[in-house]
Amino acid sequence: AQSVTQPDIHITVSEGASLELRCNYSYGATPYLFWYVQSPGQGLQLLLKYFSGDTLVQGIKGFEAEFKRSQSSFNLRKPSVHWSDAAEYFCEKGSSNTGKLIFGQGTTLQVKP
Amino acid sequence: NAGVTQTPKFQVLKTGQSMTLQCAQDMNHNSMYWYRQDPGMGLRLIYYSASEGTTDKGEVPNGYNVSRLNKREFSLRLESAAPSQTSVYFCASSEAGGRNEQFFGPGTRLTVL
Repeated sequence: AQSVTQPDIHITVSEGASLELRCNYSYGATPYLFWYVQSPGQGLQLLLKYFSGDTLVQGIKGFEAEFKRSQSSFNLRKPSVHWSDAAEYFCEKGSSNTGKLIFGQGTTLQVKP
Repeated sequence: NAGVTQTPKFQVLKTGQSMTLQCAQDMNHNSMYWYRQDPGMGLRLIYYSASEGTTDKGEVPNGYNVSRLNKREFSLRLESAAPSQTSVYFCASSEAGGRNEQFFGPGTRLTVL
C-alpha cells in the first residue's frame, strides 16, 4: 500500500535560520506530490505541488521543494524562516490510478525569536 | 464562490447517536474526500469519491458511511457514534482524482461523549 512518511514530528528553528522538512513516499512510478500548511485552528493551504518536469518546484511564501526519485523524497525548504511560518506542514501523495490522496503524519514547526 | 463548505462547524454527540456531516463544493470538481484529523496522526482518509456515482474506502472507513448525492455534495454519516470518533473532520475536493490539488473546507469539530 502506498504511504507517506514525515520522519520529524516536531522541529524548532530560530527565526532567520534555514528550514528543511522531510517527506518520503512509497510506491508509484510517477507520483503526484504536494505540500500543505495548516495554521492553528485553520484549514489546509497548498504551498506547492510536483507533477513532472523540473524537480525543484517553487511555491508560495518563499517555500521550495525538491523531488528526488532515487531517494523517494520530496523535501520542503525555506532559506530564512519567519515567525509567521510556525504551523503544521503536511506532505501528500496522489495516485492517478486510484484517485486516492494520502497524507503524511505532519510536522509541527516552532519558530524561536 | 464559497469553495468547500461544511456543516455543522461543531457538534457534540452521546455514544450511540447518529449524525450526518454535510459537505458541498461549488467548483465543479469531480473528486471529493473525507478526512479525520487527530493529534499526532495527521489527516487520515476515511472515504473518497473519485467521481460522481462512485465511492471508495480510505484508510479508516470503519464506523462511517458516505453518500455522493450529486456532483456538488458528499455527506459522511456516523450511524452509532463512539468516543473514538471524536475528531476534526475535513471535507476536500479536487478537479480530478489524485493528480490535482485539494481544496479544503473549514472542518467540523465533533465530540462524542
